[in-house]
Amino acid sequence: GQQVMQIPQYQHVQEGEDFTTYCNSSTTLSNIQWYKQRPGGHPVFLIQLVKSGEVKKQKRLTFQFGEAKKNSSLHITATQTTDVGTYFCAGSISGGSNYKLTFGKGTLLTMNP
Amino acid sequence: NAGVMQNPRHLVRRRGQEARLRCSPMKGHSHVYWYRQLPEEGLKFMVYLQKENIIDESGMPKERFSAEFPKEGPSILRIQQVVRGDSAAYFCASSLTGTGLTEAFFGQGTRLTVV
Repeated sequence: GQQVMQIPQYQHVQEGEDFTTYCNSSTTLSNIQWYKQRPGGHPVFLIQLVKSGEVKKQKRLTFQFGEAKKNSSLHITATQTTDVGTYFCAGSISGGSNYKLTFGKGTLLTMNP
Repeated sequence: NAGVMQNPRHLVRRRGQEARLRCSPMKGHSHVYWYRQLPEEGLKFMVYLQKENIIDESGMPKERFSAEFPKEGPSILRIQQVVRGDSAAYFCASSLTGTGLTEAFFGQGTRLTVV
């Protein structure tokens, strides 16, 4: 079945450093979504990418969708304490049952207080 | 505009008991999804429902688990004869359309602990 892999599983940064998480799918995706989950919280939608090679920015966050629509990345510039949490990518299969989002295991971003 | 409402937030059950998890989608949303999250794991799709219909339950164990979304009232995820391995966070999400091309709004989850 479809698999979505994320790396790294954990990332610890100093405040102000940059952070990147990568997402790879075993199959071509019709779209990819990114969610953030704070510790003890619930996933909150960040963004959706649909087009091959698409790049979107939200303030310090930059999201990319690969040309082959099989990988994606989230980059955070100059991290802040509010960025702490787990970042999940979720994709739906191209040509398949695209309501069924397949989530990666997430990247947990931690920071010194 | 209330978001997706799940209750209870925390549920403790003894092995062999039944667990009922409720989810009220966002107003105007008729598409509901249930996901299970184990510690340090991603969210695993369980079931997708529209009003009164189960569209896809391929992620749900064949035994002991069932889901419904009646015409009136919340969606219910029911786990019979719970076992320790059922301990997890169960999240419900709703969306305006069922295409996967729209944002899914998640509830705050029900954390089930089986003792």
